Parts: sequence; C-alpha cells; structure tokens
Amino acid sequence: EVQLVESGGGLVKPGGSLRLSCGASGFTFSRYTMNWVRQAPGKGLEWVSSISPDSVHTWHADSVKGRFTISRDNARNSLYMEMKSLRVDDTAVYYCARDAYGESGYSGYWGQGILVTVSS
Amino acid sequence: EIVLTQSPGTLSLSPGERATLSCRASQSVSVTYLGWYQQKPGQAPRLLIYGASSRATGIPDRFSGSGSGTDFALTISRLEPEDSAVYYCQQYGSSPLYTFGQGTKLEIK
Repeated sequence: EVQLVESGGGLVKPGGSLRLSCGASGFTFSRYTMNWVRQAPGKGLEWVSSISPDSVHTWHADSVKGRFTISRDNARNSLYMEMKSLRVDDTAVYYCARDAYGESGYSGYWGQGILVTVSS
Repeated sequence: EIVLTQSPGTLSLSPGERATLSCRASQSVSVTYLGWYQQKPGQAPRLLIYGASSRATGIPDRFSGSGSGTDFALTISRLEPEDSAVYYCQQYGSSPLYTFGQGTKLEIK
C-alpha cells in the first residue's frame, strides 16, 4: 500500500524558515516524480514544487521561487521542502504527492497534508 | 501562463441526476495533460481522470471526461450523495508546470 506521511509543519513567524519532510513507503520511491501541492484555508489547490525521480530536474511555482527548495533522498525514501523567508500568505496545508504513473504529470497518491501557519 | 477557469462555481443537483462540470483554458492544452481531481472536506484530493478522458484506477464508470483544445468537461452520471465534493481540473506541462482550476463545488441535495 502506498503511504505518504508529511511532517515538520507548525507555527512560524514571518521571515522564518521551516523544513517539511515526506516519508514514502509501499512503492519504489526512486521511480517517481514527487510534488508538493498546498491549499490555503478555505481556498483551492496550488502547485508548489516538483522533482524528477533522479533529482536532476526541479521546478517551483513563481510564488515560491528563490524561497523554497525541493529535494529528495532516494536512499531514505524521503521528500523534502526547505522553506525560507516565509510570508503570511504561505499559510496552508502542504500535501506531498506522488506521480500516478512515474512521470505522467498527475498526482495519483497524496499524503494527509501538514499545516504550516505563518503568523506573528 | 495557462489559466484554467471552472464553471459553475457551485452546482446543486439531486441524486440520480447528471452533473456536467466545465474547465476552460486560456490557451490550448494537450489532452494528454488535462486531468480532474475530487476533494471531499478534510481529505486529500483524489485523481479521477487523466489524459482528459481516461479513468484512474478504481474510479467508477459514472465519471467520464471529455474535451480538447481549450474546453474540457467532467460528467458524473447517476449522482450519489457521496459525490458531494469540490472538483478541480489540472493541466501539466505548460508554464507553470502545473495549474489547477479554482474548483467547482458539487452539492447533492
């Protein structure tokens, strides 16, 4: 069974930093593109970042470019998001998501989400 | 930048009826990279449709997708109370890498 478990969320002040982690199990982690998608309270889905299976390619939304960095450790079956210079509008539930079929462009499996609150 | 606009914002229907949800793109999207997700309150999204018309694993055949170019639709036939959710369309491949529509809320009366 595919499982994705996010951790590392919490309350942080504007300008602060946070590191999200996502532990994966139940599949061969190194074969799949991984994504972070967020959802602000009461709002829709917003793609944040993606990383190719071999970490060669990373992509970030303009809203987080230069502030967030996605990475992965295939030996540890883990996905990460380093978040710096956090702003109030970064407050959201952050989902770790696995590509449905490898590198298809669709998120077929999702974690339960982790809340990041940026507030003074 | 591709913008996806979904309509209507909210749809209220009765069990057994058919729902048609629209997703319009600001520029042409390859059918290969247009998908639909369902999200119920307090839950993560679930992939329903990929490639504009292919059902993901385990999705009942009441759910179907169609369209091409800039106009796409998700149709849910024989509505059931459990279909109450927010539905999002998503494109992949054009800048930005992924784009979601703003969502359509489906209420089953």
